[in-house]
Amino acid sequence: AQKITQTQPGMFVQEKEAVTLDCTYDTSDPSYGLFWYKQPSSGEMIFLIYQGSYDQQNATEGRYSLNFQKARKSANLVISASQLGDSAMYFCAMRAFFGNEKLTFGTGTRLTIIP
Amino acid sequence: GAGVSQSPSNKVTEKGKDVELRCDPISGHTALYWYRQSLGQGLEFLIYFQGNSAPDKSGLPSDRFSAERTGGSVSTLTIQRTQQEDSAVYLCASRPSRLRDEQFFGPGTRLTVL
Repeated sequence: AQKITQTQPGMFVQEKEAVTLDCTYDTSDPSYGLFWYKQPSSGEMIFLIYQGSYDQQNATEGRYSLNFQKARKSANLVISASQLGDSAMYFCAMRAFFGNEKLTFGTGTRLTIIP
Repeated sequence: GAGVSQSPSNKVTEKGKDVELRCDPISGHTALYWYRQSLGQGLEFLIYFQGNSAPDKSGLPSDRFSAERTGGSVSTLTIQRTQQEDSAVYLCASRPSRLRDEQFFGPGTRLTVL
């Protein structure tokens, strides 16, 4: 079984500051992938970034980076130079590479960027 | 190109009625997923289709829920004898292949059972 824990239900961050959204996971699977999705008020889930458990380097996608610490089972999302459009719900998710290929999601963090 | 589309965008129904929710995945995507998002909650997996393999139904909450995927493309999620606790946003996602991991989500169908 897989479990994702996001301990920050809500965060307020000043525009242009960097923000870290926490995510810890639990799994017994040897190989897995970790994901972050953004869900704005419109409701659509937008894929942001992916990290494979076997990847040696932390994933980066533009202003998004994933701080992957395998030994600690954490996969925090870092957003640099936050913008007003970053205000949304953010979900961390994981998928095992074998067996059931579903995504298991955390409960999310609501990020609000303050001008 | 076109993304995942879902219809209807909103559905209001009376308790006990049957509903059908439709998902059109991105063309060529072999994997299709249904998830449910209840108010203020994360996403809950419902069912997964991969190519011509038998679907993984392990997330369906009761036998009132069923889904099919015709011709490896369009999928329909059916909820029979709807209950108020079925009220949620139902999200569909598709994935290009087993070599690609990210899932692309549709806009969802908001189901309200009165």
